[in-house]
Amino acid sequence: GDSVTQMEGPVTLSEEAFLTINCTYTATGYPSLFWYVQYPGEGLQLLLKATKADDKGSNKGFEATYRKETTSFHLEKGSVQVSDSAVYFCALGLLGNNRLAFGKGNQVVVIP
Amino acid sequence: EAQVTQNPRYLITVTGKKLTVTCSQNMNHEYMSWYRQDPGLGLRQIYYSMNVEVTDKGDVPEGYKVSRKEKRNFPLILESPSPNQTSLYFCASSSWGDPRNIQYFGAGTRLSVL
Repeated sequence: GDSVTQMEGPVTLSEEAFLTINCTYTATGYPSLFWYVQYPGEGLQLLLKATKADDKGSNKGFEATYRKETTSFHLEKGSVQVSDSAVYFCALGLLGNNRLAFGKGNQVVVIP
Repeated sequence: EAQVTQNPRYLITVTGKKLTVTCSQNMNHEYMSWYRQDPGLGLRQIYYSMNVEVTDKGDVPEGYKVSRKEKRNFPLILESPSPNQTSLYFCASSSWGDPRNIQYFGAGTRLSVL
């Protein structure tokens, strides 16, 4: 079935470091891909999305490119801030499935 | 302001005592959904609704009920809660039932069943 795999484990890094969170997917058809972010004590909110191959989603300094050849949608940010500390979820939406398929999420902790 | 409102935010209850978690959205969205979030398991869908009076099971529906009598409301009902339903619950909504559309999430309800 359609699924999303995120790299295992929390990510701890220093302020101004480069962040990458890997996301790969399996899907039949042509999914839309998303990154959602969950700040402490809050619900999820959309960070960025891409709807077709080679699209680049971007927001708040974060970027992710929809790579059909590698079935990936890795999240990157060039210089993280303490305020980027959150849980990040990769998700896949496919018409006809009536739901989003979420990865397990990655806790990101940015240390001053 | 566009929002999804869940109540209560925190709830402690005992095994077997029926409870309802309410969810309301003000965006006139057709699609609404409930998820639970557990450590190491991510978000798993419990139930979803494509429109009024149309509901269907998600990945983990056992022990839960839902209803969709009005477009804006989608309550989650636990008829006889058990400790394995201790979790963080999220309600979400989006337009048209197309999962490629953005989903808007409530702030969450943290439930503890003793």
